[in-house]
Amino acid sequence: GQQVMQIPQYQHVQEGEDFTTYCNSSTTLSNIQWYKQRPGGHPVFLIQLVKSGEVKKQKRLTFQFGEAKKNSSLHITATQTTDVGTYFCAGTDSSYKLIFGSGTRLLVRP
Amino acid sequence: DTAVSQTPKYLVTQMGNDKSIKCEQNLGHDTMYWYKQDSKKFLKIMFSYNNKELIINETVPNRFSPKSPDKAHLNLHINSLELGDSAVYFCASSRGASGYNEQFFGPGTRLTVL
Repeated sequence: GQQVMQIPQYQHVQEGEDFTTYCNSSTTLSNIQWYKQRPGGHPVFLIQLVKSGEVKKQKRLTFQFGEAKKNSSLHITATQTTDVGTYFCAGTDSSYKLIFGSGTRLLVRP
Repeated sequence: DTAVSQTPKYLVTQMGNDKSIKCEQNLGHDTMYWYKQDSKKFLKIMFSYNNKELIINETVPNRFSPKSPDKAHLNLHINSLELGDSAVYFCASSRGASGYNEQFFGPGTRLTVL
């Protein structure tokens, strides 16, 4: 079945450093969504990308969807302690089902 | 007002017991989901209902039985609980069944089987 993998699994950064998580699918995706889950919390929707090569920004967060629509990335510039959490990508393939990636856990040292 | 609510928030029980988790959404959404999140944070879909009709039924032991009495509610009943069922269970909802719809998650139910 379709798999959506994320790397790295964990990332520990110093506050102020940049962070990137990568999302890779074994099949072409119709769209990519990104979610953030704070420790002890629930996943919260951040953004959706639909077009090939699309780039969207939310303040310090930059989201990209690959040209082949098989990969995506989330980049955080100058991390803050409030960025701590697990970031999930989720993609839809030829079926209507949204498949969640394995997640990247971000820890930020103050 | 909470958009997606779940009860209980914590559930501690013995192996072999039967338990239920309830979920309600007040967003007027047509589609609801149950996810299981294990200790490694993997988020795995279990079931999905659209307008009270089961549309996703992943490879889940038949000890797990969802029930949707109406569009706003999706409950999960688990029979003969096992140690491996310990996890956080999230309910979620979306406007429609398409993967283009944003999903709204409930706060989760942490199930511990002793």
